[in-house]
Amino acid sequence: QKEVEQDPGPLSVPEGAIVSLNCTYSNSAFQYFMWYRQYSRKGPELLMYTYSSGNKEDGRFTAQVDKSSKYISLFIRDSQPSDSATYLCAATYSGAGSYQLTFGKGTKLSVIP
Amino acid sequence: DTAVSQTPKYLVTQMGNDKSIKCEQNLGHDTMYWYKQDSKKFLKIMFSYNNKELIINETVPNRFSPKSPDKAHLNLHINSLELGDSAVYFCASSQDRGTGTDTQYFGPGTRLTVL
Repeated sequence: QKEVEQDPGPLSVPEGAIVSLNCTYSNSAFQYFMWYRQYSRKGPELLMYTYSSGNKEDGRFTAQVDKSSKYISLFIRDSQPSDSATYLCAATYSGAGSYQLTFGKGTKLSVIP
Repeated sequence: DTAVSQTPKYLVTQMGNDKSIKCEQNLGHDTMYWYKQDSKKFLKIMFSYNNKELIINETVPNRFSPKSPDKAHLNLHINSLELGDSAVYFCASSQDRGTGTDTQYFGPGTRLTVL
């Protein structure tokens, strides 16, 4: 079993829809959780990060972590065609065990105008 | 100015050849990484260097050898290329451990095709 599991999709939604992207993880030692966005033929770029459990909001994006169920979510409100990309969740440790991000497989999202 | 750059962008080569991919970052970061992204888009860490010292060396064939001549450069040399090495290789850098606010910045990737 991979340490971070993510449904690869693809996921196709109409413009304006609320998008929910999810990951599960198995390693209880993970403390930092990140969402990266990767446009086609580009490198991933950090979208949001969360430390431990809780919510974090940035504009139309909300990241949620529930450590009790080992569940990571990203919500996109009022989705736009420019949000079409692959979204990768990632997790890592804190302190001496870090430097290493463990990624999910990524979910490909298409937002249809 | 490109923060993390890689050369070449595309590399097509025959099985058995030896090739190198170069990476440079102009962000003044201390840590650099190599990742491999396979055809199913799965992104996996290969190596991590901090201040020119190897920190992470995941289970990759020893045909892959990273070299860091200075903090701003991390090159990847691959010997005796195999079909299964075909993938996109990403270089990344971060100031320190790449967690939380210490973002990892990725390069544009090098698409390697082994024939």
